[in-house]
Amino acid sequence: EDQVTQSPEALRLQEGESSSLNCSYTVSGLRGLFWYRQDPGKGPEFLFTLYSAGEEKEKERLKATLTKKESFLHITAPKPEDSATYLCAVHAQAGTALIFGKGTTLSVSS
Amino acid sequence: ETGVTQSPTHLIKTRGQQVTLRCSSQSGHNTVSWYQQALGQGPQFIFQYYREEENGRGNFPPRFSGLQFPNYSSELNVNALELDDSALYLCASRWDSSYEQYFGPGTRLTVT
Repeated sequence: EDQVTQSPEALRLQEGESSSLNCSYTVSGLRGLFWYRQDPGKGPEFLFTLYSAGEEKEKERLKATLTKKESFLHITAPKPEDSATYLCAVHAQAGTALIFGKGTTLSVSS
Repeated sequence: ETGVTQSPTHLIKTRGQQVTLRCSSQSGHNTVSWYQQALGQGPQFIFQYYREEENGRGNFPPRFSGLQFPNYSSELNVNALELDDSALYLCASRWDSSYEQYFGPGTRLTVT
């Protein structure tokens, strides 16, 4: 069964304190792994797509990496405006849907 | 470029009623998917439409149904509402040659 597990469920950081979010996945053929940011009560905002192991993408303070079993979202020197829930999703080769993890809720305090 | 829009923003219904949610796809996108997101959970796939036909469905009962129109806008219909149907309903669109899905702001449905 295709599955996505994110850890930790919640993460509290001080402004400037770098850290990483983990996304472990089990999928029968990976078409793509996606990271989204979601603010409370709003729709997910697209961040990155990763297609193959070894691939990396960067955007401002965020960097996403991919291996054959997991992906990491690295946050460098976070700011309070980075506070949000970060969702990881996979698109399996045999399916039409994105399969999401439960997300990691990040809180950054100044 | 126009993003994905959804209406209404919020909706309150009574158990047993029927509801219709609407979505306008991002300009140029011909594939639309609907997701249900309960509090504290990731979005769960309901179904996908391409060229006005359903071509994928998640583990949701038949009382969840949809339509896609020639202009690629879409509707989600839910009959015989249950309390557990209370959730954020998300519409996402993409071009059929890409797997990147772009989400709308969602409709918050509350069933009392």
